[in-house]
Formats: sequence, C-alpha cells, structure tokens
Amino acid sequence: DVKVTQSSRYLVKRTGEKVFLECVQDMDHENMFWYRQDPGLGLRLIYFSYDVKMKEKGDIPEGYSVSREKKERFSLILESASTNQTSMYLCASSYTGNNEKLFFGSGTQLSVL
Amino acid sequence: ILNVEQSPQSLHVQEGDSTNFTCSFPSSNFYALHWYRWETAKSPEALFVMTLNGDEKKKGRISATLNTKEGYSYLYIKGSQPEDSATYLCAFVGSGTYKYIFGTGTRLKVLA
Repeated sequence: DVKVTQSSRYLVKRTGEKVFLECVQDMDHENMFWYRQDPGLGLRLIYFSYDVKMKEKGDIPEGYSVSREKKERFSLILESASTNQTSMYLCASSYTGNNEKLFFGSGTQLSVL
Repeated sequence: ILNVEQSPQSLHVQEGDSTNFTCSFPSSNFYALHWYRWETAKSPEALFVMTLNGDEKKKGRISATLNTKEGYSYLYIKGSQPEDSATYLCAFVGSGTYKYIFGTGTRLKVLA
C-alpha cells in the first residue's frame, strides 16, 4: 500500500516563526502536492512538484516556499508564519500523468497564535 | 477561475437509504474527474477516476456517472451504512495541467 506520511498531526506555532511541514512518500511517485483545507473552501493547491528540484506555484503560493531535494520528500516552508496560515495542510503524491489518482497524507492541523 | 461545485453541502440520511450527490465542473477543456472519500481523522482516499463521457464506475454500493458535455458527475450510494459517513470530494482535472480543482465537498452523515 502507498504510504504518504506527514511529520506532525497537530502543530502550534507563534506568528513570525519559520515552520517546516514535512511529507514523505514511499512509492517512488514523481508528483507531489501541498494543499490547504479551510472551512467552506475546497482543497486549494499551494505548490506542486513533478520531479526532484522542480516546483510549480499553485493557486495560493504567497507566504510559502517548498523544497524537494529527494524524490520521496516534499517540504512546505512558512518563512514567517501568520495567523491567516492557520489551516489543515494536506500532502499528496501521484505517478506522473494528470489523470492519476492522488494519495494523501493524514494532514497537519497548524495553528498560528 | 475554474469553478467546481458540489451539492448538497451536507446531508443526513437514515441507515438503508440510498442517496446521491452532484459535482458540477467546466464542460470545456475536460481531462478527468476524480471522486475521493475523506473520513474524519483519516486521509482522503480515491474512489473513482473518470475520463470518458458516459463513464459509469462502481465499487460495492457506491457508483458514479459522468457527463462531460454538460459538466456534471453524480455519486450514488445504495443502502447507506454508518461507515459511509464521510466528506465526499470531487476534483476536476483540465487538459494539459497538473492542477486538480477540488469542490468544497458533500458531508454525509448516516444515522443508525
């Protein structure tokens, strides 16, 4: 079974802190994604990566950056956390091709105080 | 901005009832439509990936249909069970893009 693992289930940080959210997948997937889920809104794409060291901005990249140094790991970085970044963050991965199903991690609920 | 809408937003049904929900998406530039089930405290899991107009997929008591010309997909659950309680998400994938555009989901609660 594919496993997508997110490092933390719950995280509490202070405004201005640098925050790292880590995601690891074990199925050699080329594509990896970071989404955020907010009440009343669909999953919104922050960034995605289709290969090592490759990244593309999603719909809401402001205030975030990403790193993909190894194929299995995709990190989301909040350079200076703000309260409006309090959200559920979901990582996903898939094989290459844009009709491949996504495999999701269990999410990180981040609270920025 | 591409818009994917799901209705209803939430739904309560009795155990044994059959139910269905709708996903509406742009009818132009279609490539694929995905359905996911997201149970509380778990990861969203793929139910179906549909690519052809008129496609019908089935998995146990859950089935889905696709109409790409008019831009909608239906998800049906026959004889709902409490374990079907979850949020059901659809995602539209346009041609030539890696972006999956998600709807806001339908939250289903099946009462025993």
